[in-house]
Amino acid sequence: EVQLVESGGTLVQPGRSLRLSCAASGFTFDNYGMHWVRQAPGKGLEWVSGITWNSGSIDYADSVKGRFTISRDNAKNSLYLQMKSLRVEDSALYYCAKGMGDTMAYPDHWGQGTLVTVSS
Amino acid sequence: NFMLTQPHSVSESPGKTVTISCTRSSGSIASNYVQWYQRRGGSAPSIVIYEDNQRPSGVPNRFSGSIDRPSNSASLTISGLKTEDEADYYCHSYRVFGGGTKLTVL
Repeated sequence: EVQLVESGGTLVQPGRSLRLSCAASGFTFDNYGMHWVRQAPGKGLEWVSGITWNSGSIDYADSVKGRFTISRDNAKNSLYLQMKSLRVEDSALYYCAKGMGDTMAYPDHWGQGTLVTVSS
Repeated sequence: NFMLTQPHSVSESPGKTVTISCTRSSGSIASNYVQWYQRRGGSAPSIVIYEDNQRPSGVPNRFSGSIDRPSNSASLTISGLKTEDEADYYCHSYRVFGGGTKLTVL
């Protein structure tokens, strides 16, 4: 069974940094692309970033480009999201999601999410 | 970039059929596969349709997906509605999500 467990979410001040982690199990992690997707309170889902199986291709939503960095450690079955220069509008539940295939194709399994609140 | 527009909410009675639309603002709906996700209460989203009309194992055949090129839209149809189908439904294509549709089964 695919399991994705996010961690690292917390209350942080605007302008600060935060690193989210996602521990994956139940599938061969280094065979699949991965994503981060977020949902702000009362809003819909927003794709944030994606990474291919070997980190060879990475992409970001315009709203986070230049501030967020996605990475993965296939030896540790882990996905990360380094977030810098956080803004109030980055407050959201952040989901880690497994992609369909080794590229950045659509998510097919999701974790339960980790909550990031950006506030002074 | 394009947008995907969904109705904010729909409601229908148990046993009936409901269709949720998802309209692409620019570019062809057929250019990228469409997925549909269900999010019940505080649970994580789960995929109910992938690649326009494919159903993952474990998803009842009451769920079906389609695309319509003339209207540049995709649709999720749920037949034989059950109270457990009450949830938020999101369409997705490429790296874009629709705004979500709240389905009420009353």
